[in-house]
Amino acid sequence: NAGVMQNPRHLVRRRGQEARLRCSPMKGHSHVYWYRQLPEEGLKFMVYLQKENIIDESGMPKERFSAEFPKEGPSILRIQQVVRGDSAAYFCASSPVAQVAFFGQGTRLTVV
Amino acid sequence: DQQVKQNSPSLSVQEGRISILNCDYTNSMFDYFLWYKKYPAEGPTFLISISSIKDKNEDGRFTVFLNKSAKHLSLHIVPSQPGDSAVYFCAALFGNEKLTFGTGTRLTIIP
Repeated sequence: NAGVMQNPRHLVRRRGQEARLRCSPMKGHSHVYWYRQLPEEGLKFMVYLQKENIIDESGMPKERFSAEFPKEGPSILRIQQVVRGDSAAYFCASSPVAQVAFFGQGTRLTVV
Repeated sequence: DQQVKQNSPSLSVQEGRISILNCDYTNSMFDYFLWYKKYPAEGPTFLISISSIKDKNEDGRFTVFLNKSAKHLSLHIVPSQPGDSAVYFCAALFGNEKLTFGTGTRLTIIP
């Protein structure tokens, strides 16, 4: 049973481009969470999704950020018109129920 | 509003001694608590958890203590080993909601 898979591991985007981060949860897990870690900071919650539903997006910036978890395929975190301040490590986690969440290796986004 | 707080950003402990990492929370509705360990450039790894109906949970060298009246939990690692050097995050959960994390404590084990 493979763990939570995130890709790409590293992503470089120029300011103004779009970034797409993918997360394939563990088999059988229907809950997906996205967290962001800025340099020298802790893990900040962004969004919590179940299949085809956004349960809690209270941590998502109001503009440029969106997330989805379709019926088929990975969860996608999309950042439009990236800015330097979006540079961070983005972690996805999945769980079968809302308890222990298992994390992927993360995607390190660098905006140049 | 930081609902889960780890007030010590760093901690250094001699190899073989006990490491104690602390975590405080403000939301009395939290009913499940977890500790994660994170190495650089990797995702957090689940370590140990405790339900609010318990006050202690032990797994090998790791023990988590929960003091609900003080809204405080701690992770004890004994004996500490060099491989324990990492950033430790505590996290809390209420019902079906998201995990809320503390800011982390960087533990360094000195050989």
